[in-house]
Amino acid sequence: GAGVSQSPSNKVTEKGKDVELRCDPISGHTALYWYRQRLGQGLEFLIYFQGNSAPDKSGLPSDRFSAERTGESVSTLTIQRTQQEDSAVYLCASSLWRSAADTQYFGPGTRLTVL
Amino acid sequence: AQSVTQLDSQVPVFEEAPVELRCNYSSSVSVYLFWYVQYPNQGLQLLLKYLSGSTLVESINGFEAEFNKSQTSFHLRKPSVHISDTAEYFCAVSALSGTYKYIFGTGTRLKVLA
Repeated sequence: GAGVSQSPSNKVTEKGKDVELRCDPISGHTALYWYRQRLGQGLEFLIYFQGNSAPDKSGLPSDRFSAERTGESVSTLTIQRTQQEDSAVYLCASSLWRSAADTQYFGPGTRLTVL
Repeated sequence: AQSVTQLDSQVPVFEEAPVELRCNYSSSVSVYLFWYVQYPNQGLQLLLKYLSGSTLVESINGFEAEFNKSQTSFHLRKPSVHISDTAEYFCAVSALSGTYKYIFGTGTRLKVLA
């Protein structure tokens, strides 16, 4: 079956521009997570969706970052006024969210480069 | 709050040799533990996970990890590695309640040499 997909796979932008990153989770997965992986660092949690609501936004690094989810499906992560420190691979994951034992399935990521 | 430490950023090992990738965690609540693998140019895939019961868990490709509660460790081992095991390995924990978000270590790059 189809896994988690993300687009674009690569995005190069200039400092100060806005970018939108898209995630299509596995059909039927109610939980959706965004993580960020900066060079030489581990994956950092950004935000979590249960259905269309986001009860945990604790990992968003600044108010330039926002995310939404619609139809309990697609999610978009938006970064406004991008900075060079935003350069990273942004990963999306989804799970059934019945318990912490449920596996999170990851997409291939979007590599963002801010010049 | 939880944290995960993977002290070895890179581990080179010759083919058919054994390997151990270390993972230590800190948490004030009970957690589940996971190892994910990222092969070159591919996404993260679950390798194995510890939920409860036997402290030794195995994957289908010969890796195993042992949960040690007293040492708060979840080291990954393989008795004989193959070239195809070259990848980056991430240890993660998830609290048993809340949002189930993962807290990841910084990863260990395993390079298997011929």
